[in-house]
Amino acid sequence: DTGVSQDPRHKITKRGQNVTFRCDPISEHNRLYWYRQTLGQGPEFLTYFQNEAQLEKSRLLSDRFSAERPKGSFSTLEIQRTEQGDSAMYLCAAGGGNQPQHFGDGTRLSIL
Amino acid sequence: QKEVEQDPGPLSVPEGAIVSLNCTYSNSAFQYFMWYRQYSRKGPELLMYTYSSGNKEDGRFTAQVDKSSKYISLFIRDSQPSDSATYLCAMSDYGQNFVFGPGTRLSVLP
Repeated sequence: DTGVSQDPRHKITKRGQNVTFRCDPISEHNRLYWYRQTLGQGPEFLTYFQNEAQLEKSRLLSDRFSAERPKGSFSTLEIQRTEQGDSAMYLCAAGGGNQPQHFGDGTRLSIL
Repeated sequence: QKEVEQDPGPLSVPEGAIVSLNCTYSNSAFQYFMWYRQYSRKGPELLMYTYSSGNKEDGRFTAQVDKSSKYISLFIRDSQPSDSATYLCAMSDYGQNFVFGPGTRLSVLP
């Protein structure tokens, strides 16, 4: 058990639809990260939160992407007007600072 | 040049072999080094976490960091079929920005 739960595990949607993913760290972690991973690649950083504050966003995070962590516990990642290129595994990780990150099992997004 | 380079493999070894997995990096600010194991359709699982140069051992796994050469390694002794997975190296500067290698796919054959 990594202490990070992600929901849903798999999302299939049509191009142009909006999707939202949720990440729940089981224990309290100040830092929470979102990554995207495509086949044969390592996770690519999207954004991270320190408590409820979103401190950094990658240039990969276009205007169609938005993330929130309203109470400094769970986080959501929303993609609006999905495109074929958004198909990937979206991973959430908790930890950082002088502690390593622990990942959830991700949400696999498939765009039809 | 990518910030972190890793041989993508695939790497196939017989059961019981010693496996060596390697990463090189270019950013001298990296000071935290991690190895993750990732099974198909699962998230990365932390195997080893080290700070600064030197060796760290945990069971059959040994992580080695050479900051002067910007080179890290993971050794797996007595490899098992259950070790078949993709291995990701990851690095961080001050524990804020984490950069991952592309992963090496390992198959351990019975």
